Amino acid sequence: RKEVEQDPGPFNVPEGATVAFNCTYSNSASQSFFWYRQDCRKEPKLLMSVYSSGNEDGRFTAQLNRASQYISLLIRDSKLSDSATYLCVSLFSGTYKYIFGTGTRLKVLA
Amino acid sequence: GAVVSQHPSWVICKSGTSVKIECRSLDFQATTMFWYRQFPKQSLMLMATSNEGSKATYEQGVEKDKFLINHASLTLSTLTVTSAHPEDSSFYICSAPLHGRNQPQHFGDGTRLSIL
Repeated sequence: RKEVEQDPGPFNVPEGATVAFNCTYSNSASQSFFWYRQDCRKEPKLLMSVYSSGNEDGRFTAQLNRASQYISLLIRDSKLSDSATYLCVSLFSGTYKYIFGTGTRLKVLA
Repeated sequence: GAVVSQHPSWVICKSGTSVKIECRSLDFQATTMFWYRQFPKQSLMLMATSNEGSKATYEQGVEKDKFLINHASLTLSTLTVTSAHPEDSSFYICSAPLHGRNQPQHFGDGTRLSIL
């Protein structure tokens, strides 16, 4: 079993739609979580950190469920520019070591 | 603006050539940097952890003699792909944590390596 698992998609959604991605992690020692966005042939860019209490940044909401060991990303009012691959990342406590999920591809259609 | 700079962005060279990729932290010190490799339509795979002033820590299955890492200063780590072959063609990306453990990392622009 992979340490961090994501549905690879693609998720094809119309503009304005709300879309949600889940990511599961297997190691309960994972302490910190992040969502990154990666455009084709580009480097990952930090989208948001994920806090235990859940957090929101504009149209994006991230949540963490430690009991079930998953994190989620909700995108409201999807824009064409949201089309990208979204990477879920976990970080073990006290380390710098990132564990990446395989990414979920999102295509927002006009 | 960018906080991690990576150079070169694109390299095309013949089989057997050694290629050096630089990763610099801009305006901050990075005692630890990371090197990843990403094949098409796959996720980033950690190759090694670069430690300033000491040996790099390689992930299982990564040949340390093939992928030489040097972290001689607090702002620069280099990855040298020695005697590169076509199967080494990939997207190589470095990263560094800006504020320490448990904090987000920032990535360089990546280096697309193509070995003919």
